[in-house]
Amino acid sequence: QVQLKESGPGLVQPSETLSLTCTVSGFSLTSNSVHWVRQPPGKGLEWMGIIRSGGSTDYNSALKSRLSISRDTSKSQVFLKMNSLQTEDTAIYYCTRSVYNSGTPFDYWGQGVMVTVSS
Amino acid sequence: DIQMTQSPASLSASLGETVTIECRASEDIYNGLAWYQQKPGKSPQLLIYNANSLHTGVPSRFSGSGSGTQYSLKINSLQSEDVASYFCQQYYDYPYTFGAGTKLELK
Repeated sequence: QVQLKESGPGLVQPSETLSLTCTVSGFSLTSNSVHWVRQPPGKGLEWMGIIRSGGSTDYNSALKSRLSISRDTSKSQVFLKMNSLQTEDTAIYYCTRSVYNSGTPFDYWGQGVMVTVSS
Repeated sequence: DIQMTQSPASLSASLGETVTIECRASEDIYNGLAWYQQKPGKSPQLLIYNANSLHTGVPSRFSGSGSGTQYSLKINSLQSEDVASYFCQQYYDYPYTFGAGTKLELK
């Protein structure tokens, strides 16, 4: 069955770089897209970016200067890197799947990983 | 960016009651609208896609409707397990955007 699982550090220092990994199973990264979505504690959801089945990426313009998404298809892993972290980046980070590169919702979500930005 | 305005922000209802949550897009999103349910401490789960299609395994008491810029989620015969937050999302155009959410509680 389709599964996604995020992993990464729970605590990041301000101004440092966040690195997260999303390990997927039950589908191929070359057939479906993977998105990153984050949710500050007690708040709403923010779409961060996508890596499409063909490997191209697109980012939320609010994060574009700091964000990079890549993948290793041989390991079924998608990576998020975001630099210059601030306290407002404290959030639960989710990876999600959409069947197509556009026009389809997020049908599977990972469990999420809580990232706290603090010294 | 397409703005999604969701209402109400919170809602209190009794078991067996019917509840409706609304979502308005800042421009036509041509039914590219999904509803998600998020229970405390859990990740969001897809309920409705394409404005009115029920995702696999979702109980039939959930339904979606709307078109253009106005959409709604209806829950018939509210059950205790429906206590959760609900979010709308447009996936018509990037960046995909979400409504601020509706927190549903039991009265």
